[in-house]
Amino acid sequence: DIQMTQSPSSLPASVGDSVTITCRASQTISTYLNWYQHELGKAPKLLIYAASNLRSGVPSRFRGSGSGADFTLTISSLQPEDFATYYCQQSFGTRPTFGQGTRLEI
Amino acid sequence: QVHLVESGGGVVQPGRSLRLSCVASGFTFSSYAMHWVRQAPGKGLEWVAIVSYDGTNKYYVDSVKGRFTISRDNSKNTLYLQMNSLRAEDTAVYYCAKPYYYDSSSYAFDHWGQGTLVTVSS
Repeated sequence: DIQMTQSPSSLPASVGDSVTITCRASQTISTYLNWYQHELGKAPKLLIYAASNLRSGVPSRFRGSGSGADFTLTISSLQPEDFATYYCQQSFGTRPTFGQGTRLEI
Repeated sequence: QVHLVESGGGVVQPGRSLRLSCVASGFTFSSYAMHWVRQAPGKGLEWVAIVSYDGTNKYYVDSVKGRFTISRDNSKNTLYLQMNSLRAEDTAVYYCAKPYYYDSSSYAFDHWGQGTLVTVSS
């Protein structure tokens, strides 16, 4: 299976900051990479699909980039509602896999 | 409007069985493969299983192979996860998830249920 490694595992930040989360695949996955936001007690929410495509309704301060094996999620001008855990997920193989998560904390 | 509602979670002893259900609405259920994803306490998201749109193809994460069975009843718009020989490490919130296909072969999970908690404990 394809392993996904996110960094950092936790990321302290403040409202108004810009932050970047990285995700590395154990093999090349083209752009078959998605990003999710997960708040405790809620269902995960799809933010970005195919590495850089913003899902309809997601604020434009979320931006994804990358291809091959290295990807990034950038959140600019952090808002209070952005403090959550973020996951990357690959859909290149038959069995999808998630990164271990990045907890964005105040 | 897409809606996924899981049920069937609860507290169960190690070695026992449990069946989860996920009732879908708001889309053509029989046209989509469906997935189960779980999150153990304090851990990240882990994909568990997929069943093809017609129920013929199924894949599992290694840790549940031979113990869990994913299935579906398209006449009832319902996805199932039969969990046998449960272990403490299966304790998690279990989500059903619908894929959004953004090209012919790849997808993201665009809709999730609210989750159902399974606790395996003696």
